[in-house]
Amino acid sequence: AQSVTQLDSHVSVSEGTPVLLRCNYSSSYSPSLFWYVQHPNKGLQLLLKYTSAATLVKGINGFEAEFKKSETSFHLTKPSAHMSDAAEYFCVVSDLYSSNTGKLIFGQGTTLQVKP
Amino acid sequence: DSGVTQTPKHLITATGQRVTLRCSPRSGDLSVYWYQQSLDQGLQFLIQYYNGEERAKGNILERFSAQQFPDLHSELNLSSLELGDSALYFCASSVERVGTGPDEQFFGPGTRLTVL
Repeated sequence: AQSVTQLDSHVSVSEGTPVLLRCNYSSSYSPSLFWYVQHPNKGLQLLLKYTSAATLVKGINGFEAEFKKSETSFHLTKPSAHMSDAAEYFCVVSDLYSSNTGKLIFGQGTTLQVKP
Repeated sequence: DSGVTQTPKHLITATGQRVTLRCSPRSGDLSVYWYQQSLDQGLQFLIQYYNGEERAKGNILERFSAQQFPDLHSELNLSSLELGDSALYFCASSVERVGTGPDEQFFGPGTRLTVL
């Protein structure tokens, strides 16, 4: 079965400093991985996705993630945090290749706090 | 705006009651997914419909059911409601192109259900 584990439930950074949100995955197949963001009282928005084309994936709003097969990791980074980045972030794996359905399997989420 | 609409935004009801949540997918998207977000379970996949047919089931209770209509909108029916059913229910849609890997899922703003 496929799964993702987000290693931190809460991350706090100062505005202008780097962001690192950590995610490890478990998959019997070459995984398709995503990061979604959820702002308070809003729906989920896709930040970026990895589908085996390139290991370094660039997303929206300056976010990047690097797929490392040897470490089974897909950490999300951003060089400089902005106040508007404060939100809940989800690491997600698609179950398409395992179950032939595109259902998404979500990690438990990481709350990013950005301090002025 | 993701293009996915959900109604109502908020729903307050009593235990034992039945409610219907409605979702309209993005224009052209054939696949609709339902997810439940609760504090104790996180975000979990409930059920998927593709072009009117049920494609996959997740952790969906027998008291819950869904359908997708010919115009592709979907409804999630929750009956014999319990306090523990209080949650945020998301609908997502995707185009589901064959042979291109998992497509992005676009999420609606969610329906917040409160069972008293």
